[in-house]
Amino acid sequence: LAKTTQPISMDSYEGQEVNITCSHNNIATNDYITWYQQFPSQGPRFIIQGYKTKVTNEVASLFIPADRKSSTLSLPRVSLSDTAVYYCLVGPRSAGNKLTFGGGTRVLVKP
Amino acid sequence: DSGVTQTPKHLITATGQRVTLRCSPRSGDLSVYWYQQSLDQGLQFLIQYYNGEERAKGNILERFSAQQFPDLHSELNLSSLELGDSALYFCASSVELGQGDYTFGSGTRLTVV
Repeated sequence: LAKTTQPISMDSYEGQEVNITCSHNNIATNDYITWYQQFPSQGPRFIIQGYKTKVTNEVASLFIPADRKSSTLSLPRVSLSDTAVYYCLVGPRSAGNKLTFGGGTRVLVKP
Repeated sequence: DSGVTQTPKHLITATGQRVTLRCSPRSGDLSVYWYQQSLDQGLQFLIQYYNGEERAKGNILERFSAQQFPDLHSELNLSSLELGDSALYFCASSVELGQGDYTFGSGTRLTVV
C-alpha cells in the first residue's frame, strides 16, 4: 500500500477552516484515498473517500489534484468537537483486508 | 452508536492469563477486522474474517487467535498475556470485503498487570 505523510499536529480556532494535506507520492492507479477521524478512546470513524478531483459530503471535502500525489481534507468552520486525530489512508478499495493507519494528524481546535 | 458492539469495554487481568474479546458486527456486514492500538505502535491491523473464513493476517502474535462464528460475531483470544499487550483492541466491520469504509466499535481497553 502507498505510504502516506501528513503533519503530526495542527492547531486551529473555532469557526475556521482546517485543511490537512497528505502526501502519497507512490499512489497506484487503482488506489483510493480515505480519511478517518478518531476521538480519544474511541474507534476511528470514516469521513470521506475519493479517487480524483473533489468529493464533498456533509462533514468534509476532499481535494485531489490531477497527479494524485497528494490530497487535502478540508473541514469547514470547525468547532471544539472536531478536535481529534485525522488519518489519511491510501490503497485499493478491493484490498479491504489491510487498511493501514499511519500516525495521523492531531488537530486541536481552540476557542 | 456505530452498530459494532464490543464487549467488555474494560478488562484488567494478570500476566500469563488468557482473555476473550467479543465483537458483533453491524447488521448485514460480513467482514470483521481486529486492530490493536497502543501508544507506541499506533493502530495495527491484526486479522480479518469474511463470512466465517480467515481472509488476511497482519501483525498478530502467535499467542493471539480469532474466529468468526456462523452468526458473524467474532472473538479475539489473547493468551499468555504480557504487560506489553495492554492496549485498546478495536473491531471493525464492513459490507462484503470492504471498500475502505469500515465501521469501528468503541473498543476494549485491556490492561495487563
